[in-house]
Amino acid sequence: DAKTTQPTSMDCAEGRAANLPCNHSTISGNEYVYWYRQIHSQGPQYIIHGLKNNETNEMASLIITEDRKSSTLILPHATLRDTAVYYCIVRVLGSNYQLIWGAGTKLIIKP
Amino acid sequence: DAGVIQSPRHEVTEMGQEVTLRCKPISGHDYLFWYRQTMMRGLELLIYFNNNVPIDDSGMPEDRFSAKMPNASFSTLKIQPSEPRDSAVYFCASSQSSSGNQPQHFGDGTRLSIL
Repeated sequence: DAKTTQPTSMDCAEGRAANLPCNHSTISGNEYVYWYRQIHSQGPQYIIHGLKNNETNEMASLIITEDRKSSTLILPHATLRDTAVYYCIVRVLGSNYQLIWGAGTKLIIKP
Repeated sequence: DAGVIQSPRHEVTEMGQEVTLRCKPISGHDYLFWYRQTMMRGLELLIYFNNNVPIDDSGMPEDRFSAKMPNASFSTLKIQPSEPRDSAVYFCASSQSSSGNQPQHFGDGTRLSIL
């Protein structure tokens, strides 16, 4: 079972910031939060990851709450090409290496 | 830089035939993963390799599925005999290490249809 909870779908206007929430209340201290997205007919694309500090790269920002039980992915200026399914994943460490994929959030950017 | 390369992109074949999917990981990556994606079950890990050695194949659905990695730049996933329920998109991914801070990079997948 997925260790994260995300809304099924969200809309955002083009040019606005898209804020995608994720709950991971059972996260362990040494588990990272990863975000991927999947555009139709393509493979999942890595976006960003973090442990406890907020992170920013050329694609997005990741805000993790102080208790680490939730996080928000921010796409600062959404474009139509950002329409995709966004997956929030808690990285399971140890010998049974695996990413547990949930259903993700379908983000639709509207013109 | 070249990403993960999978071939073919699309495969349509009849039930009972052997199917071979191919993957070239990113150069320098020592982990390789095979996933399957369906509408019903989402993304599922089938097997992964470290330094060409299979580490965990617990996700392989049954004996009809097999995977090999003869060298650091090539892996295959084989289904023999194929069945209609094997129809799915199969993804290959690679990463530099299994620690918590190295992302997996995915290919664009092979869309497999078994008639």
